[in-house]
Amino acid sequence: QSVLTQPPSASGTPGQRVTISCSGSNSNIGTSTVNWYQQLPGTAPKLLIYSNNQRPSGVPDRFSGSKSGTSASLAISGLQSDDEADYYCAAWDDSLNGYWVFGGGTKLTVL
Amino acid sequence: EVQLLESGGGLVQPGESLRLSCAASEFTFSNYAINWVRQAPGKGLEWVSGISGGGGNTYYADSVKGRFTISRDNSNNTVYLQMDSLRADDTAVYYCAKETSSTSGWYGARFDNWGQGTLVTVSS
Repeated sequence: QSVLTQPPSASGTPGQRVTISCSGSNSNIGTSTVNWYQQLPGTAPKLLIYSNNQRPSGVPDRFSGSKSGTSASLAISGLQSDDEADYYCAAWDDSLNGYWVFGGGTKLTVL
Repeated sequence: EVQLLESGGGLVQPGESLRLSCAASEFTFSNYAINWVRQAPGKGLEWVSGISGGGGNTYYADSVKGRFTISRDNSNNTVYLQMDSLRADDTAVYYCAKETSSTSGWYGARFDNWGQGTLVTVSS
């Protein structure tokens, strides 16, 4: 059971816009920034969105993030076949000594 | 280009130990926290442990606390994960990941570089 809650799956057709939600609590998303990672099949995760809505260099502006209260979301517009991947949200949880928490991941299928 | 290279994975029996290494290059190693994140077969990402740039602060997931020990050698740009009393549910690919701050969890911190991972299999 992951600390951050994501839907296990999402899907869309090429060109569509899809969103993936990530729900947490006051000790993590509520007080920290949210990062999103993309994991293509058979590869290591890659930073996709950081600080709720910032894109690292090289990430297309089709990818966007937002945060409100204890929830965050990732939006992908103009869906492409090579967006098919697993997507994970993550945040720092400041309870106890502090630790990183991940969502369970959302498998995105491009139909 | 930042590089992180994990090594030390393999097949061990339950109760045995293993030490993973993460060798880093092309950045000022001691300025950044390094973390270990694992992924069991067919499962999601699970943060395991982290260590601050200077090595003075360490963090562990409850699932490994008391069994795993993280350390670093800044003179050799390497982070280690000593794994003792291994269990079947420790079976996973272990990734090391560079954090963007010296101390874990600074506001805005994230894992901006990841290694390719090393597979640990715990089985009798």
